[in-house]
Amino acid sequence: AQSVTQPDIHITVSEGASLELRCNYSYGATPYLFWYVQSPGQGLQLLLKYFSGDTLVQGIKGFEAEFKRSQSSFNLRKPSVHWSDAAEYFCAVGDTGGFKTIFGAGTRLFVKA
Amino acid sequence: NAGVMQNPRHLVRRRGQEARLRCSPMKGHSHVYWYRQLPEEGLKFMVYLQKENIIDESGMPKERFSAEFPKEGPSILRIQQVVRGDSAAYFCASSDRSEAFFGQGTRLTVV
Repeated sequence: AQSVTQPDIHITVSEGASLELRCNYSYGATPYLFWYVQSPGQGLQLLLKYFSGDTLVQGIKGFEAEFKRSQSSFNLRKPSVHWSDAAEYFCAVGDTGGFKTIFGAGTRLFVKA
Repeated sequence: NAGVMQNPRHLVRRRGQEARLRCSPMKGHSHVYWYRQLPEEGLKFMVYLQKENIIDESGMPKERFSAEFPKEGPSILRIQQVVRGDSAAYFCASSDRSEAFFGQGTRLTVV
């Protein structure tokens, strides 16, 4: 069965510091992988997605993620965090048709001055 | 091309009432998914529908919850006899063959 694990429930980083959010997935074939961000009381915004090809994916707002098949991971990174990045981040896996998306439990990012 | 539209954005119901949540998919999308997000939790898949068909309802509670996606009009998630535990944000998504696009959600509060 498909599943997504985000091992960190909360992460706190200083503004300007680098960020890495971890995501591990379980899927029987090559998955479609996504990172979404959700600000308080808001909907989901897609940061980036991986379908195939280059395993380093660039997204919006300066985020990137790297697909590592050997580790079943799709970690999200940002070299320098801004206070406005404070939000909840969800990793997700979709089937090959992209139809049914399974979400991780989320990682809440706090940014301190 | 408008995005996925959900209404209402906020819904308050008393215990025992019915809640109807509507979702209009993006133009050209015939696949709709409903998710529930409980406070401080991630999104849990509820149901996947195509026009006039339920494809996967493995995440739907067995009682009181139903969903439809008629040939014409929006998809409807219906919750009968709501209880306080139904209070959550309900998100709808529609899909082309590569990505799910999400609506802004409906926040249901049961008082």
